[in-house]
Amino acid sequence: DSGVTQTPKHLITATGQRVTLRCSPRSGDLSVYWYQQSLDQGLQFLIQYYNGEERAKGNILERFSAQQFPDLHSELNLSSLELGDSALYFCASSVGTSLTLHFGNGTRLTVT
Amino acid sequence: ELKVEQNPLFLSMQEGKNYTIYCNYSTTSDRLYWYRQDPGKSLESLFVLLSNGAVKQEGRLMASLDTKARLSTLHITAAVHDLSATYFCAVDPGPNSGYALNFGKGTSLLVTP
Repeated sequence: DSGVTQTPKHLITATGQRVTLRCSPRSGDLSVYWYQQSLDQGLQFLIQYYNGEERAKGNILERFSAQQFPDLHSELNLSSLELGDSALYFCASSVGTSLTLHFGNGTRLTVT
Repeated sequence: ELKVEQNPLFLSMQEGKNYTIYCNYSTTSDRLYWYRQDPGKSLESLFVLLSNGAVKQEGRLMASLDTKARLSTLHITAAVHDLSATYFCAVDPGPNSGYALNFGKGTSLLVTP
């Protein structure tokens, strides 16, 4: 168990809808990263927060947004969902930057 | 943009055999990570390689890093079925990208009797 908690584990929704994925980092970790894993694209970095502030952006669509709250948990919001957004979404955390990322168990999103 | 390439992408090997997975990356980095993922599961950190010439070993797995060649290898010795999984290498691009790791596409390893 990595200590990173993601909810929900599975999410099934329809195209055009909006969902929120939640992540609680390991105790003491200040950095939270979001990754999308799909068969064709592999593991793609979406966005990173450090102690409440956005630190880096990757291949994140404009329809997606995220935030990190004062208690350090993070939420990833996905809106106007498309079939192609179906994927496994991972949250990872680390104590600071440039350190080993510890991954949660992921949220499997299915858009129908 | 930092590119990370692994090969092979698929590997079927017999128990008891040795094999090496290669990870090439396109820009300078001194930090490279290897992760393991079982089907439908999360990613588990295996090794962190922090300098040129670094070598780490755990059981039947040994990882090394050559920063000058921008190459890391994951060597499997006397494979056993329990090693069947997907192995990812990931490279730290540095501060401009928030140290968010860039992952290779993964090597799916199947160890057969």
